[in-house]
Amino acid sequence: KAGVTQTPRYLIKTRGQQVTLSCSPISGHRSVSWYQQTPGQGLQFLFEYFSETQRNKGNFPGRFSGRQFSNSRSEMNVSTLELGDSALYLCASSPGTGIMNTEAFFGQGTRLTVV
Amino acid sequence: DQQVKQNSPSLSVQEGRISILNCDYTNSMFDYFLWYKKYPAEGPTFLISISSIKDKNEDGRFTVFLNKSAKHLSLHIVPSQPGDSAVYFCAALTQGAQKLVFGQGTRLTINP
Repeated sequence: KAGVTQTPRYLIKTRGQQVTLSCSPISGHRSVSWYQQTPGQGLQFLFEYFSETQRNKGNFPGRFSGRQFSNSRSEMNVSTLELGDSALYLCASSPGTGIMNTEAFFGQGTRLTVV
Repeated sequence: DQQVKQNSPSLSVQEGRISILNCDYTNSMFDYFLWYKKYPAEGPTFLISISSIKDKNEDGRFTVFLNKSAKHLSLHIVPSQPGDSAVYFCAALTQGAQKLVFGQGTRLTINP
């Protein structure tokens, strides 16, 4: 069974630009969550999509958005990039129903650097 | 507002000894607690979890203890092995919410 795939693995962007990251969950999983990892803030929840609908949202500005397609693949977009957006962005895949305590699988992440 | 806290950024333990990683939380609504292990350039990997109705869960070398009155949990690794060197994250969630709240992480180094 293929794992969670995130693309690209590394990305360098300039302040003010926008970026789109992609996540393909494990086959059969309908929930995709996004997390931001920074040295100062640790791992912080961005949002979660289930069956193409945003079901949960963290405390991030509106510049951070996402969507999920009918095949459960998800994209997150960050507009008007700021230096502080430099981080590792992680995607987690889970069936989406029931308790997710042992069912969330993370991808390797996309390392975004804003210069 | 840090609802889950890991106050030790790093921990160094000798191979074969016990490693104890600690985590404190403030939200009494959390139903489940999880520990993840993370190597550089990889995503977190699930290790072990515990429901809030239990006080201990064991899986091989890993044991998690939960003290609800103190809002404290700990992960014990015994015996510690060099491959255990990684960053360990404590996380919590509320039933029905597909949202993990993570601690800051503790970097564990196992010395030969």
